[in-house]
Amino acid sequence: KAGVTQTPRYLIKTRGQQVTLSCSPISGHRSVSWYQQTPGQGLQFLFEYFSETQRNKGNFPGRFSGRQFSNSRSEMNVSTLELGDSALYLCASSGGTGNTEAFFGQGTRLTVV
Amino acid sequence: AQRVTQPEKLLSVFKGAPVELKCNYSYSGSPELFWYVQYSRQRLQLLLRHISRESIKGFTADLNKGETSFHLKKPFAQEEDSAMYYCALSGPNSGYSTLTFGKGTMLLVSP
Repeated sequence: KAGVTQTPRYLIKTRGQQVTLSCSPISGHRSVSWYQQTPGQGLQFLFEYFSETQRNKGNFPGRFSGRQFSNSRSEMNVSTLELGDSALYLCASSGGTGNTEAFFGQGTRLTVV
Repeated sequence: AQRVTQPEKLLSVFKGAPVELKCNYSYSGSPELFWYVQYSRQRLQLLLRHISRESIKGFTADLNKGETSFHLKKPFAQEEDSAMYYCALSGPNSGYSTLTFGKGTMLLVSP
């Protein structure tokens, strides 16, 4: 079956703009999580959605938000972009009930200039 | 607070040598521990998890609750093992739905 798909793969934005990233999970998976990966901080959890509801949230400012649709696809939005938001954003999907394996997408590389 | 520590940023070994990638964690409760691997130009993927107690690609990891460690070991490294390795945990506080990662260890296996 198809893996986790993230679009776009690369983005260049200017400070102050906003951006929306998309993630299509593996068919049948109901949980989608987002992670930010930077050289300095490594992989950090942003938030998790399950059945269209935010179930868990990491320690990121309110400029970072997300949502999940009825087909489990998820979007992540970052408003008022800052240079420090430049990172690889990874999406992971899982069945969502208990101890299940997380499958990761290829990521979206966001560069803020 | 939950935390995963991987003390080595880089581990360089020769082919055929034993490998041990260290991972220590702090968590109040019963976490599940994982090792994820990222080969060059590939996506992050699960290597193994402590509850399955499997050996994958010759790698094993034993959860030591007393030392709060989950070190990854392989007796004889291969060149194709060269990759970035991340230790991670999930816990009941998040319904085992989210992962806390260490900063990763780059393993380089030379011929």
